[in-house]
Amino acid sequence: DVKVTQSSRYLVKRTGEKVFLECVQDMDHENMFWYRQDPGLGLRLIYFSYDVKMKEKGDIPEGYSVSREKKERFSLILESASTNQTSMYLCASTLSTGGSYNEQFFGPGTRLTVL
Amino acid sequence: SQQGEEDPQALSIQEGENATMNCSYKTSINNLQWYRQNSGRGLVHLILIRSNEREKHSGRLRVTLDTSKKSSSLLITASRAADTASYFCATRGAGGFKTIFGAGTRLFVKA
Repeated sequence: DVKVTQSSRYLVKRTGEKVFLECVQDMDHENMFWYRQDPGLGLRLIYFSYDVKMKEKGDIPEGYSVSREKKERFSLILESASTNQTSMYLCASTLSTGGSYNEQFFGPGTRLTVL
Repeated sequence: SQQGEEDPQALSIQEGENATMNCSYKTSINNLQWYRQNSGRGLVHLILIRSNEREKHSGRLRVTLDTSKKSSSLLITASRAADTASYFCATRGAGGFKTIFGAGTRLFVKA
């Protein structure tokens, strides 16, 4: 059974803290994504990676960075957390971008609260 | 800006009834996908329809795609309380990495 796991389901941090969100997939997928989900806004893409050590900015990268040192792991970093980064964070992976079939497999999400 | 926009934003029906959700998008697409999200969880892929397809079925799900109107619909037949969830359409343009999600339709099925 395919699986995408995220390090925490719930996280509470203080303003200014550095926050690490980890995502691991066991499907040998090339592509991995980080989204944030806010009520009424759907999912917005923060960053994605199409290979190890490769990354591309999504629609809302400000205040975030990412790291992909191994194929199975994609980390999202909040350099200095702010209250407007309180959100649900979802990680996803897909097998290939070149193919026409690109179902995304999602992790369970991390609900981050920044106080 | 969001590519897909779902309509209605929320839908409440009785168990056994059919539920129809619509999605509109703005630019040319390679494919359109529908996902389900149970409360507080990740998204689960339901069905994908390619731009050269007009209709697709999967169990109680029926998806249609009209590229001339840039719209899609998801029909859930004989709904069950377990279908209560949010449903999102997502589009992927030709040659692009990104899949763009709409804001979703919240479906509530009353037992």
